[in-house]
Parts: sequence; structure tokens; C-alpha cells
Amino acid sequence: DQQVKQNSPSLSVQEGRISILNCDYTNSMFDYFLWYKKYPAEGPTFLISISSIKDKNEDGRFTVFLNKSAKHLSLHIVPSQPGDSAVYFCAASDGNKLVFGAGTILRVKS
Amino acid sequence: KAGVTQTPRYLIKTRGQQVTLSCSPISGHRSVSWYQQTPGQGLQFLFEYFSETQRNKGNFPGRFSGRQFSNSRSEMNVSTLELGDSALYLCASRQTGGNTEAFFGQGTRLTVV
Repeated sequence: DQQVKQNSPSLSVQEGRISILNCDYTNSMFDYFLWYKKYPAEGPTFLISISSIKDKNEDGRFTVFLNKSAKHLSLHIVPSQPGDSAVYFCAASDGNKLVFGAGTILRVKS
Repeated sequence: KAGVTQTPRYLIKTRGQQVTLSCSPISGHRSVSWYQQTPGQGLQFLFEYFSETQRNKGNFPGRFSGRQFSNSRSEMNVSTLELGDSALYLCASRQTGGNTEAFFGQGTRLTVV
């Protein structure tokens, strides 16, 4: 039972353009959402989070959007840089357990 | 402040053996969670410990177990290893168990041959 789904296994974007990574969830008890970035042979690093009382949160080039009615969140990276190439995981919390999606591989081409 | 430390980084074991992995969380963090990462499967939740008590458990067989000590350090044990247990095992610490970000260690790469 996948409660957090990232339906795109991979995404390829040109340097300087926008990268949009999507995530869907099924559990309505989730009220806190996070994005992590992971390079090979390293642990995931925290990028940005959003509480369910908000619909948008920005941090530099990274913006997370939350659509609660659709149970959907997205991560926008603008402008995309080659160093952004990594696996991106979305995660959701119900105040207790933290559940991760399967990840999306982002490749930014220069 | 030191980050999350996992030891060892790499491990090769034979089928049927058992293994113990260690995780030292960030100082002051009381919640430690363990995840298994295999190609295409994302981060599969194993269990979470908070103040020495297992608070949550994922859908893994009983061969996977863990514990947490009074200093919040945690160990994970896998008995009767199978080839399918080969994976990257990640430990994450959080200050509390609520809606806070988790900080990950670099992981232990376990290979079962």
C-alpha cells in the first residue's frame, strides 16, 4: 500500500529551465510534507518542507506547492542547474511516521 | 554539531548469517528511524525508536529488529540473511517524533552473497 507516490521515475531538463517534480498521497492524516535530495552513496538531505496549513513555501530556487484537495504536492526548481541532478524523494508525515515515495531521478543537462 | 553517524559504511555477509548496524543520532535527537533502500523501491520504512521504545514498525519480517539505548544510539539487527536483504540501510534522526525534518546518515551498504 503505497501511501506516497512519485509516478515519474525520471525527469530530464535543460539547464536554466524549470524542473517540476510531482508527488501524490492517499492518507488524509498527512499534515506535513518534505522533499529530500539524494546523491549516490550518500544519505538523503533535507531540501524544503510545507505544513498542510499552507499551500506554498519558497526557499531560494526551490518552491513547494501543496494542493490538499487533490492530495498532490510538487517541487519547482528554477532555474535548474547541473548540480541539481540527483534523486528527489517526497515524504509525508502524520505527526508520527515519515513515509517516503519511490523517488524521481532528475537529470539537468548543460 | 556532528551529523548522524552510521557504522560500518560497507558490509559483506553470507546468506544465513546475521548482522548488526549502528546509528548515532544528532546530539539531542531522541527519535531514530531506519529505512531500507533498494533500486526502484524508494525508502522503505523499517521501524522508529523514540526514547528507547519502538514506536512504529513497517512491513518487514521479524528477522529485522532494532533497539535504542539510553543515549539515543540505535542498532538494527538482521538475522538469517537472505540475498534480497542486500540494500542501503539508512538511519534518520529527528529531534522529536512529530512534524520535524529527519536528518539522515550516509547509510550502510549491505551486500549478502
